[in-house]
Amino acid sequence: AQRVTQPEKLLSVFKGAPVELKCNYSYSGSPELFWYVQYSRQRLQLLLRHISRESIKGFTADLNKGETSFHLKKPFAQEEDSAMYYCALSRTGGFKTIFGAGTRLFVKA
Amino acid sequence: EAEVAQSPRYKITEKSQAVAFWCDPISGHATLYWYRQILGQGPELLVQFQDESVVDDSQLPKDRFSAERLKGVDSTLKIQPAELGDSAMYLCASSPRKGAGWTEAFFGQGTRLTVV
Repeated sequence: AQRVTQPEKLLSVFKGAPVELKCNYSYSGSPELFWYVQYSRQRLQLLLRHISRESIKGFTADLNKGETSFHLKKPFAQEEDSAMYYCALSRTGGFKTIFGAGTRLFVKA
Repeated sequence: EAEVAQSPRYKITEKSQAVAFWCDPISGHATLYWYRQILGQGPELLVQFQDESVVDDSQLPKDRFSAERLKGVDSTLKIQPAELGDSAMYLCASSPRKGAGWTEAFFGQGTRLTVV
């Protein structure tokens, strides 16, 4: 069965510190992995997807098929990064995307 | 900038009553999703449409929930009768391409339902 696990409900770091939001998944085929972000009072939006191999707002995520992980990383956290982050998984073609429970990132000044 | 529109933003209803939510996806988007998000959890897919056809409703409680997208554009999600456990945020999302290749899902602001 497909499953996305985000083990941390809350992650608190100081501004300028590195941050890593963990995501592990279970899926029998070749999944597509995503990170979505929801800033305060805003709608859920895509942050990045693994197939793009891009860096968005300084965030990167590497798909590790051996460890079935897709951790989100940023070397220097900023206060404006404070938000709710959701890891998501989909079959190729975009059907039935499932989300993890989310991690709230709080960046302290 | 085009956005997914949902209404109402908030809805309070008594249990056993009927309630309906409306979603207008971004123009031209073939795929439309309804998600339910219970407080403290991630969004859970209820139903997915490709144009006017349902492609996945395996998590939709069909004894009380129904969804339609008659002309392949806007969509309505209905609950009848509502139960206390239905209190949640109901999110609508759309994406532009059907078939192979994922495209980004664009989310609406959601409808927060409270059943009393």
